[in-house]
Amino acid sequence: GDSVTQMEGPVTLSEEAFLTINCTYTATGYPSLFWYVQYPGEGLQLLLKATKADDKGSNKGFEATYRKETTSFHLEKGSVQVSDSAVYFCALILLYNQGGKLIFGQGTELSVKP
Amino acid sequence: DAMVIQNPRYQVTQFGKPVTLSCSQTLNHNVMYWYQQKSSQAPKLLFHYYDKDFNNEADTPDNFQSRRPNTSFCFLDIRSPGLGDAAMYLCATSKGHTQETQYFGPGTRLLVL
Repeated sequence: GDSVTQMEGPVTLSEEAFLTINCTYTATGYPSLFWYVQYPGEGLQLLLKATKADDKGSNKGFEATYRKETTSFHLEKGSVQVSDSAVYFCALILLYNQGGKLIFGQGTELSVKP
Repeated sequence: DAMVIQNPRYQVTQFGKPVTLSCSQTLNHNVMYWYQQKSSQAPKLLFHYYDKDFNNEADTPDNFQSRRPNTSFCFLDIRSPGLGDAAMYLCATSKGHTQETQYFGPGTRLLVL
């Protein structure tokens, strides 16, 4: 079945370090892909998305490119800040006739130290 | 600002005592979803409504039910909460089947004593 696999955490970085969180997926067809971020005690916030192969989603300095050939959607940021500390979820969507179902990876906790 | 609102943010109930969680939205979206997120796990879809049409996930326990009295509101009812139902419950909305992005509320954390 459709699934998402993320790099395990926790990931601990110093401020201004480069971030990569790996995400690969298994899917029939070509679903849209998402990165959501969850701050402690909060709900999920959409960080970025890509709807087709070779699309690049970007927001707040984060980027991810939809790679069909490697079935990947890795999240990157050139220079992380303490405020980026959160749990990051990669997800794909299964579209139904009425709505859709997000399939999430297990989440990667990021901790950025000053 | 258009948003998804969940009340309460924290809910404590007793084992076996029915509880209702509430979600409202000002986005005027057709679809409303309920996800369950247990500690340190990914969210898992319980069910969703497309307008008034209810769509249940096959593995959602019968103990969980939902109501959507109008476009703006959706409720999650847990008939007889067990200790294993303690979790964060997330409400989300999307415009429709051609608009995939789901927008989440802040969540309600349920504690079962």
